[in-house]
Amino acid sequence: DAMVIQNPRYQVTQFGKPVTLSCSQTLNHNVMYWYQQKSSQAPKLLFHYYDKDFNNEADTPDNFQSRRPNTSFCFLDIRSPGLGDAAMYLCATSRDRAAVNQPQHFGDGTRLSIL
Amino acid sequence: GEDVEQSLFLSVREGDSSVINCTYTDSSSTYLYWYKQEPGAGLQLLTYIFSNMDMKQDQRLTVLLNKKDKHLSLRIADTQTGDSAIYFCAESNYGGSQGNLIFGKGTKLSVKP
Repeated sequence: DAMVIQNPRYQVTQFGKPVTLSCSQTLNHNVMYWYQQKSSQAPKLLFHYYDKDFNNEADTPDNFQSRRPNTSFCFLDIRSPGLGDAAMYLCATSRDRAAVNQPQHFGDGTRLSIL
Repeated sequence: GEDVEQSLFLSVREGDSSVINCTYTDSSSTYLYWYKQEPGAGLQLLTYIFSNMDMKQDQRLTVLLNKKDKHLSLRIADTQTGDSAIYFCAESNYGGSQGNLIFGKGTKLSVKP
């Protein structure tokens, strides 16, 4: 049974048109992460929530925002997608932020295409 | 800064052993992970090793850690076609990156019948 669920699996949007990607989890984990993965590259952390505490990576563009209305759900909002934002977006969770024996569990990702 | 390096490609024959190598720079790394990514899918945690260990075995998987050389390897015994995927090495440390993962670029493993 999937524990980190991302919807949709594939998303197509137009250049400049806002888009929202969704992630939900059944693990009751405190931490939720959003990664961007471009073709043949490593996943790059955009931001993470520790409970309601939002932590943005220094090089994450302002165009990317996130919301976590409750423990189970986290959203990635791209306000004005550009062609360079086409990528796979991965959501992950972990029970706690520290790495001590608490690995991250990933969803299957949403592949975003920009027309 | 933190950096994780992997070779990009590995090709083996079915039934042979595969060895995927990884080097990292952060000497304070606490945990080192191996993730598997199949085409169009997310990352699946395969195994991890704590930095005070030098070996961990889990069925067909053996992880070796040389902390002095900051070198990590993943050995897959009796490699099957279903093992074809991209394998990511990742490291984290308790304090510096708040437990966030630093990934390598991934090694694409191709298994030939």
